[in-house]
Amino acid sequence: TQLLEQSPQFLSIQEGENLTVYCNSSSVFSSLQWYRQEPGEGPVLLVTVVTGGEVKKLKRLTFQFGDARKDSSLHITAAQPGDTGLYLCAGGTGGFKTIFGAGTRLFVKA
Amino acid sequence: GAGVSQSPSNKVTEKGKDVELRCDPISGHTALYWYRQSLGQGLEFLIYFQGNSAPDKSGLPSDRFSAERTGGSVSTLTIQRTQQEDSAVYLCASSLRANPNYGYTFGSGTRLTVV
Repeated sequence: TQLLEQSPQFLSIQEGENLTVYCNSSSVFSSLQWYRQEPGEGPVLLVTVVTGGEVKKLKRLTFQFGDARKDSSLHITAAQPGDTGLYLCAGGTGGFKTIFGAGTRLFVKA
Repeated sequence: GAGVSQSPSNKVTEKGKDVELRCDPISGHTALYWYRQSLGQGLEFLIYFQGNSAPDKSGLPSDRFSAERTGGSVSTLTIQRTQQEDSAVYLCASSLRANPNYGYTFGSGTRLTVV
């Protein structure tokens, strides 16, 4: 069974701080997606990475896919209260199914 | 429509009753997925549709759960004889193609509470 483990489960930081959240597996994934979910809403896709070692930047967010395509990280620079939410990583299995991690709940205090 | 629409947004039902949850995907999206999200848990895959066909129903928790999709568009998830452990947020997503690399567009979900 393919599993994605996310860490930390919960993170509370002050506005302006930097942070990194991790997504790890013992399995290889064909692609890795990061989503952000706010209360009462569905997850919203932030980025897809498909190549081992790939790095993508989205404003203050930097996403990296591990060389072996088993892990990924999300780094946020100078976090803002608007970054508050549940961050989910999701792995493509090569078919149609996507496996989701349990998420990292981020709270950024003003 | 512009996004994935789910109804109702909230449903409270008595144990033992049947419920129907509806999903209206983005027009033209051939792939449709149902996931379940319980408190503190990740998204649990339930079922996938390609057009009106469901190639993989392996995620449905029991035979009380069923789903259908008609006209390659609207999908209905039915839970018969609901139990308290069915309480969760049920999320529907659609995708242009059945390839996770494209990512999914999710609806806002239906929060089901069984009392």
